[in-house]
Amino acid sequence: SQQGEEDPQALSIQEGENATMNCSYKTSINNLQWYRQNSGRGLVHLILIRSNEREKHSGRLRVTLDTSKKSSSLLITASRAADTASYFCATGRGYSTLTFGKGTMLLVSP
Amino acid sequence: KAGVTQTPRYLIKTRGQQVTLSCSPISGHRSVSWYQQTPGQGLQFLFEYFSETQRNKGNFPGRFSGRQFSNSRSEMNVSTLELGDSALYLCASSPGQGAITEAFFGQGTRLTVV
Repeated sequence: SQQGEEDPQALSIQEGENATMNCSYKTSINNLQWYRQNSGRGLVHLILIRSNEREKHSGRLRVTLDTSKKSSSLLITASRAADTASYFCATGRGYSTLTFGKGTMLLVSP
Repeated sequence: KAGVTQTPRYLIKTRGQQVTLSCSPISGHRSVSWYQQTPGQGLQFLFEYFSETQRNKGNFPGRFSGRQFSNSRSEMNVSTLELGDSALYLCASSPGQGAITEAFFGQGTRLTVV
C-alpha cells in the first residue's frame, strides 16, 4: 500500500514559474525523501529531510516537513523545461526500505 | 564512481516462464533494494538485501525471490510469470548502515509478459 500521497497528480506550468508539490503520509517516519523520474527511467534523488528538520534547500529546491501534519512540500523555483518529470516523495523507517507515493507529473512548457 | 547497473534493460517473456534480473550496486554499497513500478500500483518495495541476507521484505507472493552475492551484486527471480508482472523493476543501492542517506537507483529493467 502507498504511504504517501502526492498532490496534485499533475501540474502544468510555464518556464520561469514556481512549482509546488505536496506529500502526505500516514505513519511516523525518520526521514522523507524526494525523487525525480524522467519518462519511465530510474529515479534520481533530489533531497532528504530528517524528521527533526523543518526545512531544507538545495539549489532551486526547497523542501519543508511538518511531522505534526504528516506532510511535506517540494518547491521548485524558476522552473525550466528540463524539470519536466514525475516527482515522488518517499518515506523511510528502516534503512533502505522506501515507501513511495504515486507521484506528481510536472510539465514545464517553454 | 560507476552508478548502479541493471541488466538486461528490456525483457519479453511468456506467461509461465521464469526470469532473472541482475543489479550491480555502487562499489562499497552493501545494501540492494528492489522495487516494482506499474501504472496501477505505482512504486512498490519488493525486498532488500544487506550483506547477503534479506533484511526486509515487501508484500509480494513467493514467486518473487532474490539473493545477494558476496560482491553485493543482487539478482531477483520471478517464477511462473503472470501478465500482471509486466512492470519496470528498479534496484537501489545504498551503504546500508550508518546515517541514512539517499538511495541510488539503476535505470531499471522493463519486463513485458505476453
